[in-house]
Amino acid sequence: DTAVSQTPKYLVTQMGNDKSIKCEQNLGHDTMYWYKQDSKKFLKIMFSYNNKELIINETVPNRFSPKSPDKAHLNLHINSLELGDSAVYFCASSQELGKTQYFGPGTRLLVL
Amino acid sequence: GESVGLHLPTLSVQEGDNSIINCAYSNSASDYFIWYKQESGKGPQFIIDIRSNMDKRQGQRVTVLLNKTVKHLSLQIAATQPGDSAVYFCAEPNTNAGKSTFGDGTTLTVKP
Repeated sequence: DTAVSQTPKYLVTQMGNDKSIKCEQNLGHDTMYWYKQDSKKFLKIMFSYNNKELIINETVPNRFSPKSPDKAHLNLHINSLELGDSAVYFCASSQELGKTQYFGPGTRLLVL
Repeated sequence: GESVGLHLPTLSVQEGDNSIINCAYSNSASDYFIWYKQESGKGPQFIIDIRSNMDKRQGQRVTVLLNKTVKHLSLQIAATQPGDSAVYFCAEPNTNAGKSTFGDGTTLTVKP
């Protein structure tokens, strides 16, 4: 069974569109995260949630809105997509805030 | 602010040789560090961690060395294999901040 799963794996869309990425973890963890990885492989934290509450919002444009319906899910909605949003987005989870993280397979977003 | 950085963005080794990947950190209050491995097309995966009260920790074919005096840690891979080809990240978990700070990543290429 996949511990942290994301859908879709690939997302190709036009500038200005709105899209969502879904994430689910079956590890029973309390904390979930979203990361953005650029073409140079830099991993940048975007958000973290603990027990469905937003803990970290790392100066991410408000076009990005995370939503955690329950502890096992953390979805990412992006409005008005821009070219610079093209990247790989990773969801991760950990048992506690800031501890060892388990990453999903990533969603490759390409904005045209 | 804190930062974590790897010394070399790329490393190329011959199969069977030992590999050493280095990382510098700035937060002397960190109580542990983690190494992650990211294979092509996948999310980062935990390899090994080390607490700040240790100088060395060994796993299967991997060894982490921590030098707190110069704020440096390294990941040594013995008898490097083609399957070790990946991007390696050091990370500095910060439970107070609720996140991990990731280094820039070193791409290891193993030549047959």
